[in-house]
Amino acid sequence: AQSVTQPDIHITVSEGASLELRCNYSYGATPYLFWYVQSPGQGLQLLLKYFSGDTLVQGIKGFEAEFKRSQSSFNLRKPSVHWSDAAEYFCAVGAPTSYGKLTFGQGTILTVHP
Amino acid sequence: EPEVTQTPSHQVTQMGQEVILRCVPISNHLYFYWYRQILGQKVEFLVSFYNNEISEKSEIFDDQFSVERPDGSNFTLKIRSTKLEDSAMYFCASPTSGSSYNEQFFGPGTRLTVL
Repeated sequence: AQSVTQPDIHITVSEGASLELRCNYSYGATPYLFWYVQSPGQGLQLLLKYFSGDTLVQGIKGFEAEFKRSQSSFNLRKPSVHWSDAAEYFCAVGAPTSYGKLTFGQGTILTVHP
Repeated sequence: EPEVTQTPSHQVTQMGQEVILRCVPISNHLYFYWYRQILGQKVEFLVSFYNNEISEKSEIFDDQFSVERPDGSNFTLKIRSTKLEDSAMYFCASPTSGSSYNEQFFGPGTRLTVL
């Protein structure tokens, strides 16, 4: 069974600073990987996805993520954070052999200081 | 971004009552999913539904839960006899037409409060 670990429960950065949110997964083969963002009281918005190919993927809102098979990681990055990026971020894994079931990590809450 | 809609946005019910949560997924796709998120916790998979049948369900999805597609556009999650621990945000998800079923777009959710 697949699992996802987001080691950081809460991260605080200053506006304009760079950001990296960590995600580690457990799965026997190469999974499908996703990052979602959730603003308070809102649904989940897909930021980016990795299925195969180039291990550096670009997403919306200036986010990118890099798949590192050797480290079983899929960390999310942004070079310069904006106050509007404050939200909760979820990493998720999908098994190509399943019917689309996604397994989510615990989430990382991002606070942005002006 | 494709839109998944859910109604109601908030449902308050008494313990033991039945509730029906509704979803209108992205059209022209045969895969639909329900997830839940207990306050402060992670999002958990409940059930996947393909071509009018359950294709996979989690341990959470016990006999109190059921899913239906009553017509061509709506998709429902029913909880027959609600318990306090069913209080959560319930999300419907759907892939877009032509995309992998893994690429899911989520609705805004229904907040269920069981008293």
